Amino acid sequence: EVQLVESGGGLVQPGGSLRLSCAASGFTFSSYWMSWVRQAPGKGLEWVANIKQDGSEKYYVDSVKGRFTISRDNAKNSLYLQMNSLRAEDTAVYYCARKYRTHNTGWFDPWGQGTLVTVSS
Amino acid sequence: SYELTQPPSVSVSPGQTARITCSGDALPKQYAYWYQQKPGQAPVLVIYKDSERPSGIPERFSGSSSGTTVTLTISGVQAEDEADYYCQSADSSGTSYVFGTGTKVTVL
Repeated sequence: EVQLVESGGGLVQPGGSLRLSCAASGFTFSSYWMSWVRQAPGKGLEWVANIKQDGSEKYYVDSVKGRFTISRDNAKNSLYLQMNSLRAEDTAVYYCARKYRTHNTGWFDPWGQGTLVTVSS
Repeated sequence: SYELTQPPSVSVSPGQTARITCSGDALPKQYAYWYQQKPGQAPVLVIYKDSERPSGIPERFSGSSSGTTVTLTISGVQAEDEADYYCQSADSSGTSYVFGTGTKVTVL
């Protein structure tokens, strides 16, 4: 069974940092693009970042560029999101998702259960 | 920036058909995908590449595309289909992704 389990969320002050982790199992992790998607409380979904199988390509939504870094460790079947200079508007549930990509399109399946990040003083 | 627009809500009686639209300028050139999200749960893919249904998704879920609008149709709606639904697509390079504004489906 494919499983994605996020961890590392919590309460952090504005300007602070947090590192999220996602442990993958049930599939060949190194063969897939991976992504982070977030959802602010009571709001819709927002794509955050993608990373290629070998980590050689990374893409971010404009609002997190320069502050967030996506990375992976294929030996540990793990995905990470380093979040720096956090703002109140980064408060959200952060989901890890396996990403399918073909040519110039892609989709997310499955998703983890999410981890809540709260940025507040 | 690229946007996908959905109606905020759709109400339907059990056994009837619910149609959820998603509009975006790039949709004639890009596939659309649909996710179902129930309260407190992670999203689940229900349609990919406009009209393909993943294994395990009931046949009552279908998708279609016409010009700048894609549509998710739920035929014979059941109480368990009450959820938020989001469309999703990508930019022309496939490196940036966007979700629709979301539609809450209420089963009366």
